[in-house]
Amino acid sequence: AQTVTQSQPEMSVQEAETVTLSCTYDTSESNYYLFWYKQPPSRQMILVIRQEAYKQQNATENRFSVNFQKAAKSFSLKISDSQLGDTAMYFCAFMKLMNRDDKIIFGKGTRLHILP
Amino acid sequence: NAGVTQTPKFRILKIGQSMTLQCTQDMNHNYMYWYRQDPGMGLKLIYYSVGAGITDKGEVPNGYNVSRSTTEDFPLRLELAAPSQTSVYFCASSYGDSAGTQYFGPGTRLLVL
Repeated sequence: AQTVTQSQPEMSVQEAETVTLSCTYDTSESNYYLFWYKQPPSRQMILVIRQEAYKQQNATENRFSVNFQKAAKSFSLKISDSQLGDTAMYFCAFMKLMNRDDKIIFGKGTRLHILP
Repeated sequence: NAGVTQTPKFRILKIGQSMTLQCTQDMNHNYMYWYRQDPGMGLKLIYYSVGAGITDKGEVPNGYNVSRSTTEDFPLRLELAAPSQTSVYFCASSYGDSAGTQYFGPGTRLLVL
């Protein structure tokens, strides 16, 4: 069975700093997707970034980028020039590729505080 | 598009009461999901559906039922509410083409007393 581990329950950084959130996962699959979802205080789940395991290039979305280390089964999220609006829970998630049911497995989350 | 909508936003139930959490999506997604999120935890899958008329259990289905009579709607039914069902419930949908991205509703906060 697949598992997703986020080892940092909570983090705080100053506005404009760069912060990295860690995620490791365990799977015997070779093809899969990895995600970072953001959950602000409004509780809405918002997709931040997605990575296909078969792609060697790390995904980026504006200020958000990932460091995907497939052999190490590591998938960290880097937020550059952090903003107050980045304050949220961040969930790392895993999904098998070509999985009929598209089930996603979530980590327990990292609560990120951006301080003014 | 409204995306995924959920009603109600918040509800208090007494032990043993029943209720239905509503979920509707207007993106013509085949796949829909129900998750629960307990305090300080990630999301756990309750039930999912890969199309109208097809549903299947997720990781934590006990105490819940679902139906999928249309592509748009995927209600979640609690028959005999228990305090352990106090949680935030999220509905999500996806194209189901293995692109992976799920779109979430705003959540329903349920308190069982």
